[in-house]
Amino acid sequence: ILNVEQSPQSLHVQEGDSTNFTCSFPSSNFYALHWYRWETAKSPEALFVMTLNGDEKKKGRISATLNTKEGYSYLYIKGSQPEDSATYLCAFSEGYQKVTFGTGTKLQVIP
Amino acid sequence: GAGVSQSPSNKVTEKGKDVELRCDPISGHTALYWYRQRLGQGLEFLIYFQGNSAPDKSGLPSDRFSAERTGESVSTLTIQRTQQEDSAVYLCASSLGPVNTEAFFGQGTRLTVV
Repeated sequence: ILNVEQSPQSLHVQEGDSTNFTCSFPSSNFYALHWYRWETAKSPEALFVMTLNGDEKKKGRISATLNTKEGYSYLYIKGSQPEDSATYLCAFSEGYQKVTFGTGTKLQVIP
Repeated sequence: GAGVSQSPSNKVTEKGKDVELRCDPISGHTALYWYRQRLGQGLEFLIYFQGNSAPDKSGLPSDRFSAERTGESVSTLTIQRTQQEDSAVYLCASSLGPVNTEAFFGQGTRLTVV
């Protein structure tokens, strides 16, 4: 059983604050790391897929970094907005196999 | 179709009955995944298809659960003799191929076993 852990479990920030959360995963047999955003009553939406150690990806105010040697990825949100409120999921794949999801970080941005 | 389509969107069934959930992946997507999310819990992997073969069934919680896929198209997840603990949102996702490509999720089927 693969251990993909996310922290914190939940988070409240004020509008305009920047924030970040962590995804930890096994550092052996790394194949890819995914970040998804899951809004209530919608389906998860892919943010990033990262495959190389040192990868940095950016989409608007959201960015992510990857360290495969130590087994972690950070997701950053700059200048949080209420519409950023969602659960952010990371998912790890080991080899050409299934993607194992973490339990997510639930972000609430307070206007 | 334009996206991953799941049906039904909601299903209420009596304990002990069988249910069948359907997933229509995006055309051309060879990989298909089933997950479920029980109340208050994270996404739980059930099964992965590459084409119509299932190299990884390790997530199926019991022998009451089975899944099939026709070619690189529709998949059905069948739950026999449903139990209350089967109540969850069942999500299907598909991707173009290997797991380093992004997966696109359907809207899910909310199953309630009463």
